[in-house]
Amino acid sequence: QKEVEQNSGPLSVPEGAIASLNCTYSDRGSQSFFWYRQYSGKSPELIMSIYSNGDKEDGRFTAQLNKASQYVSLLIRDSQPSDSATYLCAVIKVGGGNKLTFGTGTQLKVEL
Amino acid sequence: SAVISQKPSRDICQRGTSLTIQCQVDSQVTMMFWYRQQPGQSLTLIATANQGSEATYESGFVIDKFPISRPNLTFSTLTVSNMSPEDSSIYLCSVARGGAKETQYFGPGTRLLVL
Repeated sequence: QKEVEQNSGPLSVPEGAIASLNCTYSDRGSQSFFWYRQYSGKSPELIMSIYSNGDKEDGRFTAQLNKASQYVSLLIRDSQPSDSATYLCAVIKVGGGNKLTFGTGTQLKVEL
Repeated sequence: SAVISQKPSRDICQRGTSLTIQCQVDSQVTMMFWYRQQPGQSLTLIATANQGSEATYESGFVIDKFPISRPNLTFSTLTVSNMSPEDSSIYLCSVARGGAKETQYFGPGTRLLVL
């Protein structure tokens, strides 16, 4: 079992729709969770961080964390073509310092 | 956040040679890391660059192949030694100021092609 799992996609959604990206992790002691966006040929940029169970909203983005089920998700409302990118889920495990463990990423395509 | 620069931004190298990649941050940071992203894949941590001491390498990565220096709190280098085509990747440095909730920010990356 991979430490951090994501569906590779591509996930295609129409413009204006809600895109839902999911991530599961294997280490129950994981404590910090991040979503990064990576455009083709560019480096990852942070979208959201979440540390506690529940929802965290920032503009069109909402991160959801459920530690009991060991999953974290990212919702993108009113999806735009500019949201088309690969979304990387990353986790810091307990005792892992600041070391990030990344999932393989989900490619999102927002279609006109 | 932090402003991070990497040099070179890209390079094409011959098999058997070595390349040193530089990472410079605009302010002092506690943590610096080096990652590799092979074509079509996600990021894999190579090592944590420790200021004033030897880097901490992840499983599968060794100092002889990827020597790392970190002379101060704003600068680090990664050398890819005795390169082969399998080393063709994007190499990224990232920084964090410390603490379990501290976000990591990534540099622009160095795109390496080994022929």
